[in-house]
Amino acid sequence: AQKVTQAQTEISVVEKEDVTLDCVYETRDTTYYLFWYKQPPSGELVFLIRRNSFDEQNEISGRYSWNFQKSTSSFNFTITASQVVDSAVYFCALSVGGNTGFQKLVFGTGTRLLVSP
Amino acid sequence: DTEVTQTPKHLVMGMTNKKSLKCEQHMGHRAMYWYKQKAKKPPELMFVYSYEKLSINESVPSRFSPECPNSSLLNLHLHALQPEDSALYLCASSHPTGTLSEQYFGPGTRLTVT
Repeated sequence: AQKVTQAQTEISVVEKEDVTLDCVYETRDTTYYLFWYKQPPSGELVFLIRRNSFDEQNEISGRYSWNFQKSTSSFNFTITASQVVDSAVYFCALSVGGNTGFQKLVFGTGTRLLVSP
Repeated sequence: DTEVTQTPKHLVMGMTNKKSLKCEQHMGHRAMYWYKQKAKKPPELMFVYSYEKLSINESVPSRFSPECPNSSLLNLHLHALQPEDSALYLCASSHPTGTLSEQYFGPGTRLTVT
């Protein structure tokens, strides 16, 4: 069975602080994909990143960076110099399986990030 | 263009009403999804269409009826809903390469059943 755990329910920081959102996953599949989505108060889930199980390179995109470690089954997300606009719920998700023409995502429970001025 | 549109944005309906939610994408995606999301919970998958055919129905009650008229459109027909069906309903789509592709979500329809 697949499972995604986001142990941090809510994190509060002050603007310009760095913050790391943790994600731990469980799967017995050797081929899998990990995702991060952002859900602002408006409700829409915004895709942030996809990473496959064969690519452990860390990635940086502006103030966002991701640390993928298969040894600890973690895919953590760091926001550097946080801003008020980063306030949202962040979901980590996992998909497994072959190319069936669609994907079935297993979501974590989400981490609510509150950035105050 | 990575846009998925959904109408209406808000919907209030009585338990005896019939209504429909609509979703549209023009990214050439051939997989489309309906999710239900309750407050402070992650999205729950309801249905998946792949190449306009229903591929997954996650044991959703028959008062929810999905329809995929063509590769760009996805509908969710609602009938005789219960107050506990009040939620945010999200539509998503993805490229036909399946697990190789991320899903793009629409803004959702906030449904209230009275």
